[in-house]
Formats: sequence, structure tokens, C-alpha cells
Amino acid sequence: GNSVTQMEGPVTLSEEAFLTINCTYTATGYPSLFWYVQYPGEGLQLLLKATKADDKGSNKGFEATYRKETTSFHLEKGSVQVSDSAVYFCALSDPLNTGTASKLTFGTGTRLQVTL
Amino acid sequence: KAGVTQTPRYLIKTRGQQVTLSCSPISGHRSVSWYQQTPGQGLQFLFEYFSETQRNKGNFPGRFSGRQFSNSRSEMNVSTLELGDSALYLCASSLATGARDEQYFGPGTRLTVT
Repeated sequence: GNSVTQMEGPVTLSEEAFLTINCTYTATGYPSLFWYVQYPGEGLQLLLKATKADDKGSNKGFEATYRKETTSFHLEKGSVQVSDSAVYFCALSDPLNTGTASKLTFGTGTRLQVTL
Repeated sequence: KAGVTQTPRYLIKTRGQQVTLSCSPISGHRSVSWYQQTPGQGLQFLFEYFSETQRNKGNFPGRFSGRQFSNSRSEMNVSTLELGDSALYLCASSLATGARDEQYFGPGTRLTVT
């Protein structure tokens, strides 16, 4: 079946530091890949997505590139801010395998804490 | 455009009771999915409804059920509540136009079972 593996957190960084959160996946079809962010007490917000190999998703300074050869979708940001403190989830949608694009498989989440 | 709304936001129930949660999707979205989020199991897919029909189902017992109305609003019901049902229940909606759909999530309903 499908699965997503994320690096363990929490990740603690100083403001303006470089961020990488690793994400690798297993899927039998041709999945779309997503990063979602969850702020305290809130639901999930779509951060970025990539739908095919070598696509780069980007939003709010965050980037991730769909690497089919390494089955990875690592999240990066060049300079984090305190306001980026949240939990980040990597997810995939594999409609050819699951019959619907609406079934997301999530990683366990990585908590990011950014300090001044 | 209004986002996905979920009611109630917080709920406290006793073991053995049943509960109904409500989700209103983004206008024009035809698919509604439900997820359970717990510290131990993370985010798990419950089921998806499209055009008032359950289109996909996760690995949850039959105590968990749902339905969708003609206006795409959805409800999920949990009967005979157990302590382990305490979780954040998230609803997501999408246009359901194809394989590259994006899911948009609501703020969730936090259910506590005592």
C-alpha cells in the first residue's frame, strides 16, 4: 500500500536559518504530492503541491521538488520566521491505486519551532 | 469565498453515546472527505462522499458512518462512543474534477469522550 515517511521532529531553528524537512514516499501508482501545514488549534492548510515527476511546488518561500528517482519530496525554506512555527505534513494522493484523488495518505508530521 | 466549515468545534461526550458532526464544503465542491487525527495514529482517512454516495472508505469499524446531502453538506456519525474515539475530526472538500484535485480542510471538530 501507499505510505509516507517524514523525518522525526521537533525541529528547532533560529530565525533566518535554512529549513529542510525530509519526506519519502511509497506508492504503486503515479501520486500527487502535497505539503500541508497545521497551526495550533487549526485544521490543515495546503502549502504546496506537485503532480508529476520533476515538478517543483512553491508557496510563501517554501519549495519542494517531486523526485521520482529517490521517491522524495523534501520541503525547504531559505530563511524561516517565527511565524513558520507549526506542524508540517507530507501527503500523497494516488487515485489510480485508491480509486479517488480524495484519499490522502499522510506522514506523521514534523513540528517546527523557530526561535528569535 | 468561504472556506470549509465544521460544527461544532468542540464536543464532550460520554462512552456509549453517539455523536453527529457536520461539515459544509466550499461552494461548488462536490466531494467531502473525513479524517481522524490522533496523537498516536496521526491522520487517518475515514471515508469520502461524492454526489451523496460513499465513494471510498478507510479501515474504521461500522460505528463510523456518514452521509452527504444534495447540497454537498456532509455529516458523520459515531455510535457507541469509546474512549479511543477522542480525536480531532477533520473534513476536507474538493472539486472532484479529476486525479489532481486539491483537498481543502476545515478547522476540525475536537471530540472528547469521557
